[in-house]
Amino acid sequence: DIQMTQSPSSLSASVGYRVTLTCRTSHNISNYLNWYQQKPGKAPNLLIYTASSLQSGVPSRFSGSGSGTDFTLTISSLQPEDSATYYCQQTYSTPPWTFGQGTKVEIK
Amino acid sequence: QVQLQESGPGLVKPSQTLSLTCTVSGGSISSGGYYWSWIRQHPGKGLEWIGYIYYSGSTYYNPSLKSRVTISVDTSKNQLSLKLSSVTAADTAVYYCAREGWLGGRPPTGFDYWGQGTLVTVSS
Repeated sequence: DIQMTQSPSSLSASVGYRVTLTCRTSHNISNYLNWYQQKPGKAPNLLIYTASSLQSGVPSRFSGSGSGTDFTLTISSLQPEDSATYYCQQTYSTPPWTFGQGTKVEIK
Repeated sequence: QVQLQESGPGLVKPSQTLSLTCTVSGGSISSGGYYWSWIRQHPGKGLEWIGYIYYSGSTYYNPSLKSRVTISVDTSKNQLSLKLSSVTAADTAVYYCAREGWLGGRPPTGFDYWGQGTLVTVSS
């Protein structure tokens, strides 16, 4: 299975700050990488697919980049409603699809 | 607007079979171009993909659960189902069904619709 490592495991930042989350994979997965936001008690919400494509309805302050084994999710101007846990997920080649362990983002 | 809704017992005894159903509304499972997955999340933990099914009945399971998992589809009811046999306390989790777009020759486009999730507790 392809292993996913997210960093940091948690962070705290102020409203308006630029925040960057990282996801590293154990194998080259090209751009087969998705990002999700999950708030407590809710299902995950797709933010970014194929590394850099913004899902419909997602605010433009969210962006994704990377290819191969290193990927980033950037929130350009952190908002109070962005407090959540963020997961990366790979869909390279054949299943099983795997998720990272998550990064918890808190607002200072 | 596509909606997914999981249903099933919230409490299952050890060694028994966990059975859940996901009802899809606002879209047809048979429309093609989408794979329908089950995903679970242990309390306070991350996400684990269980497996998927295509409307044709084609399935793929996570090898870690393959010997115990069966996913099926009933296109007439627009439902998919999950059966997990020989459950233990380690199977206690919130179970989600989700839709994934995937057209041939292109990368999957992520799980764009999810059910609200259902907590299943394995306990005697």
